[in-house]
Amino acid sequence: EVQLVESGGGLVQPGGSLTLSCTVSDFSFSVYHMNWVRQAPGKGLEWIAYISTTYEIWYADSVRGRFTISRDNAKKSLYLQMNSLRADDTALYYCARDNDYSFVYWGQGTLVTVSS
Amino acid sequence: QSALTQPASVSGSPGQSITISCTGTYSDVGAYNYVSWYQQHPGKAPKLLISEVTKRPSGVSNRFSGSKSANTAYLTISGLQAEDEGNYYCCSYASRSWIFGGGTRLTVL
Repeated sequence: EVQLVESGGGLVQPGGSLTLSCTVSDFSFSVYHMNWVRQAPGKGLEWIAYISTTYEIWYADSVRGRFTISRDNAKKSLYLQMNSLRADDTALYYCARDNDYSFVYWGQGTLVTVSS
Repeated sequence: QSALTQPASVSGSPGQSITISCTGTYSDVGAYNYVSWYQQHPGKAPKLLISEVTKRPSGVSNRFSGSKSANTAYLTISGLQAEDEGNYYCCSYASRSWIFGGGTRLTVL
């Protein structure tokens, strides 16, 4: 069964940093593009970052310059390094596997709370 | 880019059909046949219902169908069931990015 498990969330002060991880199982990680999607409490979904199998990277305007997506195929892991965090970055962060421009598989999410 | 526009809420009785609209622009929904739809129940991760405007992944009920006309995409749910109650999101690829709709709360009366 395909599984994606996010970790690394927590409480961080404004201006702080945090790195999220997403470890996958039961599929060939290296052949799939991957994404991060977030959801603020009680709000809708927001796509924030994409990394292709060839390491092409795209970001949403809301995080560009502050967040960095990366992947380690050997560890079957996806990462999101988040710097200069703001209150409006508070959200549940999901990793999602891409297939034909849709998000086929999702993790259960890891919660990031930015507050002093 | 702005979020795609969805109705905040829709409702229907068991057995009825409902349609949720998702309006974008010529740069997203109108430009690509890469509209997808997701169902989300409270406290759960989103679930893909429709990809590439009309394609239904394996395991998704054929009561769910998608379509598109110009800059607006549609999700139709036929034969409404109580378990369909939840939030529905559309999403469109938009040149090196994706845009989600604001979400529609479906209530089964």
